[in-house]
Amino acid sequence: QVQLVQSGAEVKKPGASVKVSCKASGYTFTSYGISWVRQAPGQGLEWMGWISAYNGNTNYAQKLQGRVTMTTDTSTSTAYMELRSLRSDDTAVYYCASTGSGWEFDYWGQGTLVTVSS
Amino acid sequence: SSELTQDPAVSVALGQTVRITCQGDSLRSYYASWYQQKPGQAPVLVIYGKNNRPSGIPDRFSGSSSGNTASLTITGAQAEDEADYYCNSRDSSGNSRVFGGGTKLTVL
Repeated sequence: QVQLVQSGAEVKKPGASVKVSCKASGYTFTSYGISWVRQAPGQGLEWMGWISAYNGNTNYAQKLQGRVTMTTDTSTSTAYMELRSLRSDDTAVYYCASTGSGWEFDYWGQGTLVTVSS
Repeated sequence: SSELTQDPAVSVALGQTVRITCQGDSLRSYYASWYQQKPGQAPVLVIYGKNNRPSGIPDRFSGSSSGNTASLTITGAQAEDEADYYCNSRDSSGNSRVFGGGTKLTVL
C-alpha cells in the first residue's frame, strides 16, 4: 500500500531553516510528483509547491519563492522541503502528498509540526 | 484571501443531502479536487477530475461543476462525514495551485 512517512516535529528559532523529509513506498516514486501543503494552527490548507520526482522540475507558490526549496532523492524515494528565514507565521503542520497527473493529491503523509519560536 | 471561495460552515440532517460549493474564476477552465479533513488527521482525497472517486471513497460522494462553481455533494450524509472540506484547483494565473478556505460540515 502507498505510504508517505514524514520526519518528526521540529522547533526552530526565527531566522533559522528547517528541512522536512517525506519517504515514499508502495508505488514507483518517479511516476508521480510530490506536493507540499501546510496548515497553520486552526487555519486552512495552503499549497506550497510541487516537485516532479521524474525530472526534478519545481513549481513554488509565489509567496514562498526565494525561501523554499524542494528536492528529491530517487535512490531512497524521499522528497525534501527546506524552508529558510523562518518566521513565527511559518509555524504549521507541513504535509507532503503524492500528486497525480491531474494535480490531485492522492496520498498524504502524516504531517510534521514545525514550531518557530524564540 | 483565497482565490477559491467556500462557505465557512454548512449543516445537514443525518441521511439528508448536502452540497458544498467552491467558487472561483479558474473553475471555468479547470476541475477542482476535494479533500476531507477530520480533526488531528491528514486530509483525504474524496473527488477529483470531472467526478472521480478514489478507491475506498463511498459513492454517496459526488462532484460537479457549472460556470465558476464546483460542488461536492454528499447524498445521504452520515455522522462520519462530519469534517472540514477543502477544494483545490489552479489559481487565476493558471500556473499555481490554491485551496479554498474550507467548509466545516456539521451532521445534525
